[in-house]
Amino acid sequence: QQPVQSPQAVILREGEDAVINCSSSKALYSVHWYRQKHGEAPVFLMILLKGGEQKGHEKISASFNEKKQQSSLYLTASQLSYSGTYFCGTEFRSNDYKLSFGAGTTVTVRA
Amino acid sequence: DSGVTQTPKHLITATGQRVTLRCSPRSEDLSVYWYQQSLDQGLQFLIHYYNGEERAKGNILERFSAQQFPDLHSELNLSSLELGDSALYFCASSLRGGSSTDTQYFGPGTRLTVL
Repeated sequence: QQPVQSPQAVILREGEDAVINCSSSKALYSVHWYRQKHGEAPVFLMILLKGGEQKGHEKISASFNEKKQQSSLYLTASQLSYSGTYFCGTEFRSNDYKLSFGAGTTVTVRA
Repeated sequence: DSGVTQTPKHLITATGQRVTLRCSPRSEDLSVYWYQQSLDQGLQFLIHYYNGEERAKGNILERFSAQQFPDLHSELNLSSLELGDSALYFCASSLRGGSSTDTQYFGPGTRLTVL
């Protein structure tokens, strides 16, 4: 039931864009995105509920495609501060009380 | 700083021993979640408590147990420790009881090393 994230890792230069995908074999109700820097706690980015909505956090946005059971996180004009590991957490029904997290995507942004 | 505190920050112990990890949620939060993060794995959900009651269990071993006290702090007890239990243990808290729009705020974690 753990969602699958791709790619596993990506290296960017400042200003470049990247897309991180989170796919599930089960229908999703919501997707939660977190970023974790090395040695620190995960930090909340955004939640997407089913309905195909998009959300944004600074220059980071995400979409949720119910039919494809997939969410994508878009890093636009990346900054050095975007480096870290991005995790998606999925919920399969409303008020599921628990999140299943993917293995993470490590993003390295270089000057 | 998320407002969630965890103690201790580091814990080194031997196989077969028992340890207790402590978590204090944000002052306004009623829910506490425990996660295990090993080197090669992402965040593994262990258990969720809401206002003192267990709400959901994940991949939590029988050797592990948790509780949430009336003041809403929570403790995770790990017993008969094995080398494979070495990991970072995170506690997170949220306002409500696992609502789909609930944001989970993570504490700094406790790094457990079992020798």
